[in-house]
Amino acid sequence: EAGVAQSPRYKIIEKRQSVAFWCNPISGHATLYWYQQILGQGPKLLIQFQNNGVVDDSQLPKDRFSAERLKGVDSTLKIQPAKLEDSAVYLCASSLDAYRGRVGELFFGEGSRLTVL
Amino acid sequence: AQSVSQHNHHVILSEAASLELGCNYSYGGTVNLFWYVQYPGQHLQLLLKYFSGDPLVKGIKGFEAEFIKSKFSFNLRKPSVQWSDTAEYFCAVTVDAGNMLTFGGGTRLMVKP
Repeated sequence: EAGVAQSPRYKIIEKRQSVAFWCNPISGHATLYWYQQILGQGPKLLIQFQNNGVVDDSQLPKDRFSAERLKGVDSTLKIQPAKLEDSAVYLCASSLDAYRGRVGELFFGEGSRLTVL
Repeated sequence: AQSVSQHNHHVILSEAASLELGCNYSYGGTVNLFWYVQYPGQHLQLLLKYFSGDPLVKGIKGFEAEFIKSKFSFNLRKPSVQWSDTAEYFCAVTVDAGNMLTFGGGTRLMVKP
């Protein structure tokens, strides 16, 4: 079974520039998540999609972050303009529908490491 | 809102030593509890989970965790660690049958051969 694919693996940009991360979840997984993991901290949920609808984006800094999941499969997370404090690993995860009894069982990608200079 | 605390940020053990990593959560309602592990250079993966029933749950690679409701705790244990257990361990929780996973800050375990 193919895992969650993310790209790019690494990105270095200067502050005020923009960046986009791409995620392809495991086939058949209805729920997709973007997490931000700052060095030394645990992952923090940014946004959760169920198919192509947003379930929770309460912790997404909407003035600079945006995310979409067109057609309920792939997803893109964009940051514009980037700030120094956005340096982190951006993790994408997917899971089966929660109502199938798989609550909390997330499959993670390897992450995209962003450095903002 | 719920939160998860992991009090040990770094743990260093010798092979064959016993392991216990602490995890406490704050939420008064129904919780589901998880331990995730991230081996060096790999992605986060599920180690074990508690939904209901027997509070002592067993996971992969000889790990187990015990849910103590009165202490809001879900500590991870292993009787005898191996060098290959070197990794970062994250405790996490979902609440009220939701699917939003909240993570603790993680514990970095180093096992010396």
